Amino acid sequence: DGGITQSPKYLFRKEGQNVTLSCEQNLNHDAMYWYRQDPGQGLRLIYYSQIVNDFQKGDIAEGYSVSREKKESFPLTVTSAQKNPTAFYLCASKRTLLTYEQYFGPGTRLTVT
Amino acid sequence: AQSVTQPDIHITVSEGASLELRCNYSYGATPYLFWYVQSPGQGLQLLLKYFSGDTLVQGIKGFEAEFKRSQSSFNLRKPSVHWSDAAEYFCAVGANNDMRFGAGTRLTVKP
Repeated sequence: DGGITQSPKYLFRKEGQNVTLSCEQNLNHDAMYWYRQDPGQGLRLIYYSQIVNDFQKGDIAEGYSVSREKKESFPLTVTSAQKNPTAFYLCASKRTLLTYEQYFGPGTRLTVT
Repeated sequence: AQSVTQPDIHITVSEGASLELRCNYSYGATPYLFWYVQSPGQGLQLLLKYFSGDTLVQGIKGFEAEFKRSQSSFNLRKPSVHWSDAAEYFCAVGANNDMRFGAGTRLTVKP
């Protein structure tokens, strides 16, 4: 089955540690996205990538980093510089630059204490 | 840039009753419009989309939405709600290679 996988489902870290969230897609989509979701705030865009080896900051990129070395993979690193990292993180992809319909993974809930 | 507003943060309906979730957008032309549903702790699933043509679009799970250009709205409807419809619903607007999501409406279904 084609789709987007995010792992792990739940992640716990101590404050001050960097943590990397995985996102893999086998849809052959060109573009990939990372969103952060907090209660009552909808989805906020962290980073996106439209092609391999290229990515752009979204609305709330501070404290996060990404890479896009392969078309299928778009990992997100939450660094110790992120002030409030505890949140639900969603990865999404879309087929090409000219389309808008995004497909979402199941999400990773990160808890930092 | 475009923006989208979902005026209702939380709606409660009785099972079997009809449902309408509101979505208003701001954009100079007709954007691409979407409704997604999210069950607790899950990702978003696309319910339906509007690009052009017939302003009444049908989606999955018995949902439909109507695009009204004059009101800049794209409201989601369902004639008879089932308990399994309890979830959070997001309206989204796409334009200029950018996608914006509303803050969501949480739907509670009473037995």
